[in-house]
Order: sequence, then structure tokens, then C-alpha cells
Amino acid sequence: KAGVTQTPRYLIKTRGQQVTLSCSPISGHRSVSWYQQTPGQGLQFLFEYFSETQRNKGNFPGRFSGRQFSNSRSEMNVSTLELGDSALYLCASSRQGSMNTEAFFGQGTRLTVV
Amino acid sequence: AQKVTQAQTEISVVEKEDVTLDCVYETRDTTYYLFWYKQPPSGELVFLIRRNSFDEQNEISGRYSWNFQKSTSSFNFTITASQVVDSAVYFCALSVTNTGNQFYFGTGTSLTVIP
Repeated sequence: KAGVTQTPRYLIKTRGQQVTLSCSPISGHRSVSWYQQTPGQGLQFLFEYFSETQRNKGNFPGRFSGRQFSNSRSEMNVSTLELGDSALYLCASSRQGSMNTEAFFGQGTRLTVV
Repeated sequence: AQKVTQAQTEISVVEKEDVTLDCVYETRDTTYYLFWYKQPPSGELVFLIRRNSFDEQNEISGRYSWNFQKSTSSFNFTITASQVVDSAVYFCALSVTNTGNQFYFGTGTSLTVIP
């Protein structure tokens, strides 16, 4: 069974630009969550989507947004990029998105802002 | 508020040694889940174990074992007879009621197994 697929794997962007990252969850999984991983802050929750609705949101500025499509694929967008947005962005999929279900992570998209 | 503390930033052991990774959590919720994930250099987080707050039974899976103690709010992870392939960053995480798939991660412990 295919795992969680994140595209692209690597991105280099310039300050002020915007970027869109994609996550295709495991077939049958309706919940997709996004995390930012940096050396300084560790793994931080961005948001979760379930059945096309944002169900939970972390403490990030409005420049970070996301959406989920009817096929459960999710995208996250970062506008007006800052140097501090350089990070590994991980998405996780799970069947129900409740705390007692296993979440599977993708390999991440490594974003570098220059 | 929820918090997970992994006090050990880096650990190095020689192959075949046993190693324990510590995890201390904080939450006021009575229903919660604890997880361990492994992150190899490739980047993805690999699920190792899930334990709910009502099940304090220790678990063993091959060379891996977990010790959950609510009295000390700890969920420690032991690798027996470590191997080079165990080298990775290990994360402890907490999930609580009504926050869906939101994990609160510790800062991770980087384990290096020296051949």
C-alpha cells in the first residue's frame, strides 16, 4: 500500500515569494495534518484537515494556510516567505484523525528561503 | 497546556549495548495517548508505539520495550542490544482529547550506535 507522498521534496524560494506544498495521504485516510520541523523549535503543529474542513490549527501566523480536496489530498501555502520559514514540512495522514489512531508521516518537503 | 520533555539531546552507545531514552510528559487531561516515533536521516517519522493513559502495561516488541509510569508521568523507551540501524532521532509525543491528530512532540533524542 502506498505511503504518504509529499511533493516536492526540496524547494528553494526567495524572501517575499509564496510557496505551495502538496501531500497525498494513504488511500482511505481522511485526516491530514501538517507540521513544521526546525532545529530551534522542533516539531510544531500547523493545522489538521478532515473531510475538507480545517479541524484544528496551531499557533502560526495567517501567512500559513491550507486546504483539503475531496480526494483527501492536501496543500499548504505560505505567503510572503521569511528566512525563518526555512524548515522541513511534514504531513501526516490517518484514517479518522482521532488521538487513538496511528498517524503515518511522509518524508517531508525541505524548504529553504534565501 | 501539554508538554513533552526529552532531556537527552544526544546519546552515543557501542553496538550491542542497551540504551534507554527518557520521556516526561505534562497534561491535565485524564485521557491521552503517548507515542514514540523514529526519524531516520530520510526524514519521515516512523511510528513505533501508541499507549493510552488507561493502560500502564509495559510492552515489549523484539528488541524494543516501553515503560509507562503515570505516577512519574514518564514513558521511557529501551532498546536492547542496540544495532547500527537504530541510529536515528527518536521523538516522544502526546495527543489529548479533542485535539484530533495534533501531536505535542518532545525535542527528540539523537541516538548514535557505534559499530
